[in-house]
Amino acid sequence: AQSVTQLDSHVSVSEGTPVLLRCNYSSSYSPSLFWYVQHPNKGLQLLLKYTSAATLVKGINGFEAEFKKSETSFHLTKPSAHMSDAAEYFCVVSDEADSWGKLQFGAGTQVVVTP
Amino acid sequence: DADVTQTPRNRITKTGKRIMLECSQTKGHDRMYWYRQDPGLGLRLIYYSFDVKDINKGEISDGYSVSRQAQAKFSLSLESAIPNQTALYFCATRRSGASTEAFFGQGTRLTVV
Repeated sequence: AQSVTQLDSHVSVSEGTPVLLRCNYSSSYSPSLFWYVQHPNKGLQLLLKYTSAATLVKGINGFEAEFKKSETSFHLTKPSAHMSDAAEYFCVVSDEADSWGKLQFGAGTQVVVTP
Repeated sequence: DADVTQTPRNRITKTGKRIMLECSQTKGHDRMYWYRQDPGLGLRLIYYSFDVKDINKGEISDGYSVSRQAQAKFSLSLESAIPNQTALYFCATRRSGASTEAFFGQGTRLTVV
């Protein structure tokens, strides 16, 4: 069975400093991994996805994530936080063989950006 | 127009009432999903459908039912609403395939009083 653990429920960063959101996953087969962002009172928007090609994935708005199979991790980073990055972030795993294409969400990480 | 449209966007209903949340999509995707979001729990899967004739329960289907009226329409019903069904509900669509992304509606905020 697949599962996702986001290691931080809240992250607070200063504008201009790096952002790190940690995600560990469990999957029996070959997972696809996604990061979604949810701004207040909005739906979910895809930031980036890993699909067994390059392990370093670049997304929108300067975010990137690295897939590390040995550590079962897919951490999200951004070199310099912007005020507009304040939102909730979800790590998501999907394994076609293991879960018939269902998306399994982490509990979310709330990011606060201070001036 | 949005790719995935949910109606209503907000709803307040009384305990015991039946309520239907509707979702329609213009992506042409075969897969559709209903999730609920609660603070600190992320999104949890209620029901999913891989085509019009295929409906499956998710992890928290009790108290809910669904109808896939067409490839583009997927409705969620609460047969007899209760206060702990107060949540933010999302509909999503996805094309078949291991690595395809899901597209989400704007959400329906449901309050059961």
